[in-house]
Amino acid sequence: GQNIDQPTEMTATEGAIVQINCTYQTSGFNGLFWYQQHAGEAPTFLSYNVLDGLEEKGRFSSFLSRSKGYSYLLLKELQMKDSASYLCAVPTRSNDYKLSFGAGTTVTVRA
Amino acid sequence: GAVVSQHPSWVICKSGTSVKIECRSLDFQATTMFWYRQFPKQSLMLMATSNEGSKATYEQGVEKDKFLINHASLTLSTLTVTSAHPEDSSFYICSARDELYGTQYFGPGTRLLVL
Repeated sequence: GQNIDQPTEMTATEGAIVQINCTYQTSGFNGLFWYQQHAGEAPTFLSYNVLDGLEEKGRFSSFLSRSKGYSYLLLKELQMKDSASYLCAVPTRSNDYKLSFGAGTTVTVRA
Repeated sequence: GAVVSQHPSWVICKSGTSVKIECRSLDFQATTMFWYRQFPKQSLMLMATSNEGSKATYEQGVEKDKFLINHASLTLSTLTVTSAHPEDSSFYICSARDELYGTQYFGPGTRLLVL
């Protein structure tokens, strides 16, 4: 099965940078997803990493190291609207489409 | 692109009634869709995997006769909560897998309140 670990909470100031780490253990690997979920809303897709390295999308970047079972989501130039829960997810088995989610990291951005 | 819709967004019903929730992929085809449930301040819980043209696969502990899933086309899956009870009140969210990019996109969710 999957064992996905991410910090429970993080707090940062507007304009700062936050790095949310995620470690996982999986039998077979078929990519890692990051989602953002605002309170009371459904998750929205942020990124999908299949290969090692950093992928940048505007203020958000995601990094993957398959050999270390490690990923991080980097949020730059934080804005108040970035206050949300950030979910790390991996498919439950290789070639299986079901996602196993981490418990989520609640990021609070303060003025 | 990659938009998933759900309808209705809110539903309030009496105990014992059935409620149908629709999930549509608007600009892509989805052989596989998923149904989740989320209680306040808890993680997403996968209920079932919906496969177009075949029976859904339910997670352990989820009653297939209570949560009926139909995936009749490549863009539509429905979840029917039969004989709903107050404990079924929750936030139901669907997702659809974009076959081309392998990414799952979520619908906006449906809040169900059973009185």
